[in-house]
Amino acid sequence: AQKVTQAQTEISVVEKEDVTLDCVYETRDTTYYLFWYKQPPSGELVFLIRRNSFDEQNEISGRYSWNFQKSTSSFNFTITASQVVDSAVYFCALIIETSGSRLTFGEGTQLTVNP
Amino acid sequence: EPEVTQTPSHQVTQMGQEVILRCVPISNHLYFYWYRQILGQKVEFLVSFYNNEISEKSEIFDDQFSVERPDGSNFTLKIRSTKLEDSAMYFCASRSVGTGYHSANQPQHFGDGTRLSIL
Repeated sequence: AQKVTQAQTEISVVEKEDVTLDCVYETRDTTYYLFWYKQPPSGELVFLIRRNSFDEQNEISGRYSWNFQKSTSSFNFTITASQVVDSAVYFCALIIETSGSRLTFGEGTQLTVNP
Repeated sequence: EPEVTQTPSHQVTQMGQEVILRCVPISNHLYFYWYRQILGQKVEFLVSFYNNEISEKSEIFDDQFSVERPDGSNFTLKIRSTKLEDSAMYFCASRSVGTGYHSANQPQHFGDGTRLSIL
């Protein structure tokens, strides 16, 4: 069975600070896919990034970057120079190849960026 | 940009009544999903649908739930006899088939959700 843990329930930062959201996952499968979704106060779920277990490099996309560490089963997400509009709940999610394509979500981290 | 649309945005229903939640997935997507999120909790998988049949369902998706693709564009979730604990936000999602072996990694795109309130 797979599991995703987001230990940080809430994070509060001041605008322009960098912030890292932690995600730890559990699976026995060797092929799996990791995602981050954003849920702003309006309630919709917005896809942000995807990482395959077999990808070699971490990436940066604008103000977003992510750090995938297979050795510690972590998939952390960093927002550089945070903005008030980044305030939302962020969910880490996992799909394992042998279990269809259901997303298993973590509990979410509420990020508040204060002006 | 194409998006998943869900109607209604909010549904209030008496306990024991049937409710149908509607979704229009992105037009070239072939995989469809329903998830739910009880207030303040994480998002939970209900069911996936491909090629006009259920491909996977969770333990939450019991006999009171059903899904249907009645025509070429809509995807519906029916709850036959609603209970108080069915109150939640219900999200529809869709994804493309992708290419190659690892198609399950195609991002699922979500609608804005239907807030279901059971009285």
